[in-house]
Amino acid sequence: RKEVEQDPGPFNVPEGATVAFNCTYSNSASQSFFWYRQDCRKEPKLLMSVYSSGNEDGRFTAQLNRASQYISLLIRDSKLSDSATYLCVVNIPADSSYKLIFGSGTRLLVRP
Amino acid sequence: NAGVTQTPKFQVLKTGQSMTLQCAQDMNHEYMSWYRQDPGMGLRLIHYSVGAGITDQGEVPNGYNVSRSTTEDFPLRLLSAAPSQTSVYFCASSPRQGQNIQYFGAGTRLSVL
Repeated sequence: RKEVEQDPGPFNVPEGATVAFNCTYSNSASQSFFWYRQDCRKEPKLLMSVYSSGNEDGRFTAQLNRASQYISLLIRDSKLSDSATYLCVVNIPADSSYKLIFGSGTRLLVRP
Repeated sequence: NAGVTQTPKFQVLKTGQSMTLQCAQDMNHEYMSWYRQDPGMGLRLIHYSVGAGITDQGEVPNGYNVSRSTTEDFPLRLLSAAPSQTSVYFCASSPRQGQNIQYFGAGTRLSVL
């Protein structure tokens, strides 16, 4: 089983739609969670961190469910510019430190 | 603001050649890492470093070496390039290991013929 799993999509939605992605992780000791956005042929960039109580940044809402070991990203009022691949990132304990593991990404296409 | 700088941006190698991908950051970050990204896949961790003089293996370390002699630099060495190493390579840095956001370089696109 992969340490971090995402539905690859693509999710094809019209402008203005609400879309949600989930990401599951296997290591219950993970403590930090993030969503990154990656545009075609570009480097990943941080979209938002995910906090235990859930957090919102404009049209984006991230939530963490520790019991079921998944995080989610909700995008409201989708824009054409939201078209990208969304990467889930989880930190995994490694010896006396942690390392960040990326999911394979969920591709979002927003159409006019 | 330079951030994380990777060189070269593009490289073509022949099977068996060796080369070093350079990565430098000017943010005094402790944590640095190398990832590879293949088509339709996420980023896979190759090696990482939690500080100068300390390196460790990630998910896919075979065929790659790293060193961290300074805080700023974290080069990735391909000892004997193979076609399976054709990929896009990203270097990233973070203020401290595993807990904070990572800042990525623009990537190196490597083709091994």
